[in-house]
Amino acid sequence: AQSVTQLGSHVSVSEGALVLLRCNYSSSVPPYLFWYVQYPNQGLQLLLKYTTGATLVKGINGFEAEFKKSETSFHLTKPSAHMSDAAEYFCAVTEGSSNTGKLIFGQGTTLQVKP
Amino acid sequence: EAQVTQNPRYLITVTGKKLTVTCSQNMNHEYMSWYRQDPGLGLRQIYYSMNVEVTDKGDVPEGYKVSRKEKRNFPLILESPSPNQTSLYFCASSLNGMNTEAFFGQGTRLTVV
Repeated sequence: AQSVTQLGSHVSVSEGALVLLRCNYSSSVPPYLFWYVQYPNQGLQLLLKYTTGATLVKGINGFEAEFKKSETSFHLTKPSAHMSDAAEYFCAVTEGSSNTGKLIFGQGTTLQVKP
Repeated sequence: EAQVTQNPRYLITVTGKKLTVTCSQNMNHEYMSWYRQDPGLGLRQIYYSMNVEVTDKGDVPEGYKVSRKEKRNFPLILESPSPNQTSLYFCASSLNGMNTEAFFGQGTRLTVV
């Protein structure tokens, strides 16, 4: 069965510092990988996704992630944090080839940005 | 504007009183799902639907029902709510079931007392 692990339930950075949110997955088939962001009292919004092709994926708001098959990782980065980046971030993978639309989520990482 | 609309946003109810949370999408998506979000557990799928009249259980279906009579609507029904169903619920839709973006509603915060 597929699973997703996000290392660190809370990450705190200073404004302007590098943001690194870690995600590792397990999958027996090539995965489709996603990062979603959830702002307070809102639904989830797609930041970026990897399906096929280039392993470095750029998303909205200056975020990017790199698919590393050998490390089964899909870490999310942003060179310089803004106060507006404070939110909860979820890494997710779609389930194998079952075509159910099911996303398997990690536990989530809350990003705090300090002035 | 493409969106998934859930109602209500907040609901407090008593144990055993049947309730329905509605979900509607305006993107003509075939796939729709319900998730619950609990602290430290991320989101877990309750039920999903691949098209009209086609529904199936997700990871945590106990105590829930769904129906898909029209493509745009996918209500979540709790026939006899219990306190362990207190959670934040999200409806989502997507064009296909694999590699396309899932669009999420704003969420419904349910408290069962």
